[in-house]
Amino acid sequence: AQKVTQAQTEISVVEKEDVTLDCVYETRDTTYYLFWYKQPPSGELVFLIRRNSFDEQNEISGRYSWNFQKSTSSFNFTITASQVVDSAVYFCALRETSGSRLTFGEGTQLTVNP
Amino acid sequence: DTAVSQTPKYLVTQMGNDKSIKCEQNLGHDTMYWYKQDSKKFLKIMFSYNNKELIINETVPNRFSPKSPDKAHLNLHINSLELGDSAVYFCASSHGTFRTEQYFGPGTRLTVT
Repeated sequence: AQKVTQAQTEISVVEKEDVTLDCVYETRDTTYYLFWYKQPPSGELVFLIRRNSFDEQNEISGRYSWNFQKSTSSFNFTITASQVVDSAVYFCALRETSGSRLTFGEGTQLTVNP
Repeated sequence: DTAVSQTPKYLVTQMGNDKSIKCEQNLGHDTMYWYKQDSKKFLKIMFSYNNKELIINETVPNRFSPKSPDKAHLNLHINSLELGDSAVYFCASSHGTFRTEQYFGPGTRLTVT
């Protein structure tokens, strides 16, 4: 059965610090997709990135970067030079070929203090 | 223009009542979902429809019944509401069932008193 673990329940940093959010997943499928979503205090869920299991190339988008390592079943998310607006709950999620359900991790609450 | 919309945004009701939450998407997607987010922020899928056909039906009390009148709409009806139903309910949609990301509505906060 698929499972996503985000071991960091809460992280608190000071503005301009770099922060990495960890995500470890379990799946028996060889083909799957991984996602990150952001849930700011306003409550909506915002899609950030999708990565398929055959593409281990790291991705950078502005201050955001993602490190996918199949060997360790991890898909970590780094925010460089964090800002107060980055404060949110961040969810990692997994989708297998065997079903269309999206399995979410328990989320990491990131607080960026000024 | 709102991509995935839900009404109402807040719903406060008493135990035993029946209520509905409506969801509409204007993204042209063929798959829609209902998720429940509990007080600890845990997100869990409840139902999914693809082209109006039910494809995911998790272990949810049968007091919850989804209805998809067309590909752009997925409503959630809840009978005999219980205190434990209090949560935020999110609707989502995607193009297809596997490769693409899901886009979420703003959520409906249901409070049962």
